[in-house]
Amino acid sequence: AQKITQTQPGMFVQEKEAVTLDCTYDTSDQSYGLFWYKQPSSGEMIFLIYQGSYDEQNATEGRYSLNFQKARKSANLVISASQLGDSAMYFCAIKTSGTYKYIFGTGTRLKVLA
Amino acid sequence: EAEVAQSPRYKITEKSQAVAFWCDPISGHATLYWYRQILGQGPELLVQFQDESVVDDSQLPKDRFSAERLKGVDSTLKIQPAELGDSAMYLCASSIGQFLSEAFFGQGTRLTVV
Repeated sequence: AQKITQTQPGMFVQEKEAVTLDCTYDTSDQSYGLFWYKQPSSGEMIFLIYQGSYDEQNATEGRYSLNFQKARKSANLVISASQLGDSAMYFCAIKTSGTYKYIFGTGTRLKVLA
Repeated sequence: EAEVAQSPRYKITEKSQAVAFWCDPISGHATLYWYRQILGQGPELLVQFQDESVVDDSQLPKDRFSAERLKGVDSTLKIQPAELGDSAMYLCASSIGQFLSEAFFGQGTRLTVV
């Protein structure tokens, strides 16, 4: 079975600073994808970044980057130059070629301070 | 920009009544998901469609929940009868295929059962 663990229920970061949100995963499949989503208070889930298990380089999308450490089974999200609008819930998810469904973690609530 | 449409955004219903949610995925997306998200938790998959076929409904409470995707396009999720514990956000998502591609979510339907 697949599992995502997010151990930080809440995080604070000062505006313009970088922050790392932790995510560890468990799967026996060799082919899988790791995803990060942002959920503002309005409720919609916004896709941020994707990392494939066979990708050798860490994924980056603008201010978002994914610190992928396959041996440690971790896929931490790094947000650089935090903005007030980054305040939201952040969910890590895994999807494997075995089940093709997204399994989500419990999320981390990020608060950016002015 | 293409998006997943859901309606209604909010629904208040009395216990034991029937309720239905509608989802229209992004055009061309073969895979459609219904997730339930209880406040403070990550989304949990209720049902997954590939075109018009159900590929995973293992977590769908089939005694009261039903889902269909006629013609492989839009989808309806029904609850009958609603129970107090069904109060949650119901999220619909679609992806271009079952393989390792990101899912795009709608804005969700926030259900309150009183």
